[in-house]
Order: sequence, then structure tokens, then C-alpha cells
Amino acid sequence: DGGITQSPKYLFRKEGQNVTLSCEQNLNHDAMYWYRQDPGQGLRLIYYSQIVNDFQKGDIAEGYSVSREKKESFPLTVTSAQKNPTAFYLCASSFGGASYNEQFFGPGTRLTVL
Amino acid sequence: GQQVMQIPQYQHVQEGEDFTTYCNSSTTLSNIQWYKQRPGGHPVFLIQLVKSGEVKKQKRLTFQFGEAKKNSSLHITATQTTDVGTYFCAGPTGNTGKLIFGQGTTLQVKP
Repeated sequence: DGGITQSPKYLFRKEGQNVTLSCEQNLNHDAMYWYRQDPGQGLRLIYYSQIVNDFQKGDIAEGYSVSREKKESFPLTVTSAQKNPTAFYLCASSFGGASYNEQFFGPGTRLTVL
Repeated sequence: GQQVMQIPQYQHVQEGEDFTTYCNSSTTLSNIQWYKQRPGGHPVFLIQLVKSGEVKKQKRLTFQFGEAKKNSSLHITATQTTDVGTYFCAGPTGNTGKLIFGQGTTLQVKP
């Protein structure tokens, strides 16, 4: 079954702790993306990667970090520097980095920082 | 910077009524994509429009891309409770596969 998996679905952390969100895809897609969604708002791009071992900052990268060591995996770390980390995090992938490629989304991780 | 705006933000309709959401970009777009997110779910790709003035239909859904390629609309005829969710438009920014999403229009349908 091809698709994108994110784990865990719900995550609780104490303030000041770093936390890593997992994103794995078996679609053989080159490009992967991380978005943040807050209630009543659209999706805001955190980081994206067009190819293994390369990634670029999106619109709201401060307080986040990523790695892309394997084509299938694009983990996101929410650091203690992120001032308001409670949100719904969505990972997506697409065939390539061209503008006409649709994006496939994972089920998301809902992070709550207490 | 580039912006994509959607109106309305929320729409409540009675089942069977029609629904339209509008998407406006501050810049000309090479294409526009539409996604649907069910409550508690994740966005799912619906369609992509590429040509100026293009109209595409999917059953009760009609998608339109403006002549100037700066606006788009999604019209649902005779809404059903299965249409409930948030509809997002998204346009490319640059040529890197990055998309900029509108804020979405959340549709609620009363049975």
C-alpha cells in the first residue's frame, strides 16, 4: 500500500523540550514538504526538500529543523526555540519539484506543548 | 510577497443548496490546484487547472480558472452532507514545487 505515514498521531510535550515528528513515504517521490496548520488558517510551509541531502527553508522555518538523509524519510524537529509549537503538522510529498505536481499528504501529527 | 486569498472563510448551507468558494492570487499563476480536507483529516488533491479560462467538472463540482489566471472558483451544485470540509486553493510560488495555500473555505451542510 503506497502512501505517506506520520507518527505519532497525537504528541504531548513539555515546554522547553525538543520533539521530532516522523514522516515516511513509499511513493518514490523526490520532493517532500512540512506544513503547519493552525485553526481557521491555511497551510504554512516550514521546510521543503527537492532531493536527498538538500532542503530549503519555507515561510516559517524559525524554531524548526529537518534532515533528508534518505529519499523516503523527512523528519521534522520542533525545537525549544519555537515560541508557539502547538499545532497540526502535515507532511507531504510530490513526484518532483515542478510546480504542476500535486502533493500527497500524510495523516498529520497533532502536537500539544504543555 | 505573493498572496492567495479565499472567500468566504465559512459557509453554512442547507443540504441541496449550491455553494461557491472564490480564490484570488496577487500574481499570475501557471496553474492552480484545489484540495479538500475533511474534519479531522488531511488535505486531498481534487484537481489542477492550467489553461486560461479552463473549466473542469467532477460530478457536482465545477472548477474554473480565470482568464487572467489570477483567480479561480469552485462551485458545488446541490450540496450533500459528504461535501462537508475545508476547501483550499493553492498556487505555485517559484518553480520549485512549492505551493502557497489560501486560508480555505469551511463548508458545513445541514441535513
